[in-house]
Amino acid sequence: GAVVSQHPSRVICKSGTSVKIECRSLDFQATTMFWYRQFPKKSLMLMATSNEGSKATYEQGVEKDKFLINHASLTLSTLTVTSAHPEDSSFYICSATYWTGGVGTDTQYFGPGTRLTVL
Amino acid sequence: QKEVEQDPGPLSVPEGAIVSLNCTYSNSAFQYFMWYRQYSRKGPELLMYTYSSGNKEDGRFTAQVDKSSKYISLFIRDSQPSDSATYLCAMSAWRVTNFGNEKLTFGTGTRLTIIP
Repeated sequence: GAVVSQHPSRVICKSGTSVKIECRSLDFQATTMFWYRQFPKKSLMLMATSNEGSKATYEQGVEKDKFLINHASLTLSTLTVTSAHPEDSSFYICSATYWTGGVGTDTQYFGPGTRLTVL
Repeated sequence: QKEVEQDPGPLSVPEGAIVSLNCTYSNSAFQYFMWYRQYSRKGPELLMYTYSSGNKEDGRFTAQVDKSSKYISLFIRDSQPSDSATYLCAMSAWRVTNFGNEKLTFGTGTRLTIIP
């Protein structure tokens, strides 16, 4: 149980284009989804937290107009990197939780990640 | 000082050895502790989670939390080459009033290699 998928797993695009990454919880309804960015040999950096039907909460320093997050349903969140540039090249990972109020129910389950390369 | 400190390694041990991975933290509000395993170019996989102080065992893995010392450990017994990965500790304050939006604070990860 608690499987999270991401699509695509890898994407290469030209500078200036927009890229959409999907995050899906396959066997549970995610009350919250998180988006992270990870640089090589570094830990995860939280970008934003999103709840279904609400605006995402962005971490300090993350441009909300550049990284658009939509959480349309309890099983799907999307991250759109708008007007991508080479410095946006990174490994993007989402996670999802199914919170019921009990201890441990906000455990985050991670997707496999999406590697974005902007040429 | 970082909220969570983790030795980045790299750590290399022979197959079959006992591995000890550790994290220290400074925020006394943390009470929910997790260990994730991350293979290269993959997302983190949850290994263990514990709430407050104590030990928890799952197969070859044992997680220990000592809140008085602000120190957590993950032990791997009978280590296998397939255990070679980066291990991330993570922790949160777990407040009911946050409705599941509690952020995780990660360690930097320890790169572990098990030598056959």
